[in-house]
Amino acid sequence: KAGVTQTPRYLIKTRGQQVTLSCSPISGHRSVSWYQQTPGQGLQFLFEYFSETQRNKGNFPGRFSGRQFSNSRSEMNVSTLELGDSALYLCASSRESLGTGGEAFFGQGTRLTVV
Amino acid sequence: GQNIDQPTEMTATEGAIVQINCTYQTSGFNGLFWYQQHAGEAPTFLSYNVLDGLEEKGRFSSFLSRSKGYSYLLLKELQMKDSASYLCAVRDHQAGTALIFGKGTTLSVSS
Repeated sequence: KAGVTQTPRYLIKTRGQQVTLSCSPISGHRSVSWYQQTPGQGLQFLFEYFSETQRNKGNFPGRFSGRQFSNSRSEMNVSTLELGDSALYLCASSRESLGTGGEAFFGQGTRLTVV
Repeated sequence: GQNIDQPTEMTATEGAIVQINCTYQTSGFNGLFWYQQHAGEAPTFLSYNVLDGLEEKGRFSSFLSRSKGYSYLLLKELQMKDSASYLCAVRDHQAGTALIFGKGTTLSVSS
């Protein structure tokens, strides 16, 4: 079966712009979590969506937001981009909310470069 | 808060055994994960421990001691393709559903 699909794979934006990233989870999975990965900070949790509801949010500014649709696909949006937002953005799909147990499968990620 | 520590880099030779340690401090431990990540690729799931003891999966094994806040990933019969970053992640009740990741251990396997 298809894995977790993230689009686009690569993106270049300028400071001040906004960006929307997309994640399609594995069929039948209802939980989508987003992470930011940078060389200095490693993988950091952004937020999790389960059945169209945000279940948890990490310690990121309000410029980072997300949503989940009825088909479990999720989008995250970053407004007023800063150079420091350059990172690999990963989404993870799991059957149930991670709080109840179970594996999380990651997509290939979107490499965002802010210039 | 949560804190997860693992060595930054390790080296080993083909055919050898390597142990990657992970120590953690959390207030509401609810499971520990190990992921493998090759450069430029997504992390792939290796193992999940929630109870004390050893979980074995082929060449890979993972151990957990909740009382010591300690886990290790054991890789046997190392192959060149095992060169990758190994990420330890903890789920904590205090953090809800988030996985808290360590910075990762870069393993280099040489012939």
